[in-house]
Amino acid sequence: DGGITQSPKYLFRKEGQNVTLSCEQNLNHDAMYWYRQDPGQGLRLIYYSQIVNDFQKGDIAEGYSVSREKKESFPLTVTSAQKNPTAFYLCAASPDRVDYGYTFGSGTRLTVV
Amino acid sequence: KQEVTQIPAALSVPEGENLVLNCSFTDSAIYNLQWFRQDPGKGLTSLLLIQSSQREQTSGRLNASLDKSSGRSTLYIAASQPGDSATYLCAVRETGRRALTFGSGTRLQVQP
Repeated sequence: DGGITQSPKYLFRKEGQNVTLSCEQNLNHDAMYWYRQDPGQGLRLIYYSQIVNDFQKGDIAEGYSVSREKKESFPLTVTSAQKNPTAFYLCAASPDRVDYGYTFGSGTRLTVV
Repeated sequence: KQEVTQIPAALSVPEGENLVLNCSFTDSAIYNLQWFRQDPGKGLTSLLLIQSSQREQTSGRLNASLDKSSGRSTLYIAASQPGDSATYLCAVRETGRRALTFGSGTRLQVQP
């Protein structure tokens, strides 16, 4: 089955800690994205990557970092600089063609304790 | 800056009703519009993708229309069922921007 795997499903972070969310895809899509979702709100773009070893900031990149060392993987690190990290994080992928849609993973819920 | 609005924010209907969800966007320079379904605590499932050159797309009981010039899309659900209960999100892929811009969603509850 082709798809996007996000892990873990639930993650708890202590104040001052960095945590990394995993996103792996076997769709062979070039572009990958990280979105944040807060209750009752739409998704907001954190980072995206169109190609290996290249990524761009989205609308709310402060306090987050990413890497794209392999086509299949796009991990997101939530750093201690992110002051309000509690949210639902969604990873997506798409072919690098404007007429194609997006495929999303099942999400990671991050809670600060 | 593109803004996507979904009305209503929440909707409760009895089983069997036909219903329409609305999505509007402020900048008509888009490649396509995608409708998604989200169950509580889950990821997004793509329902329909409609290109800017198309007027509508259909999948089973779902029909999405697009009027790019007026910045509107509707998602029509025929003969609603309790299993249709979820949040429905629309998103546009605008020209000059790589990522999707989302609306806040419509939370639908279908009463048995």
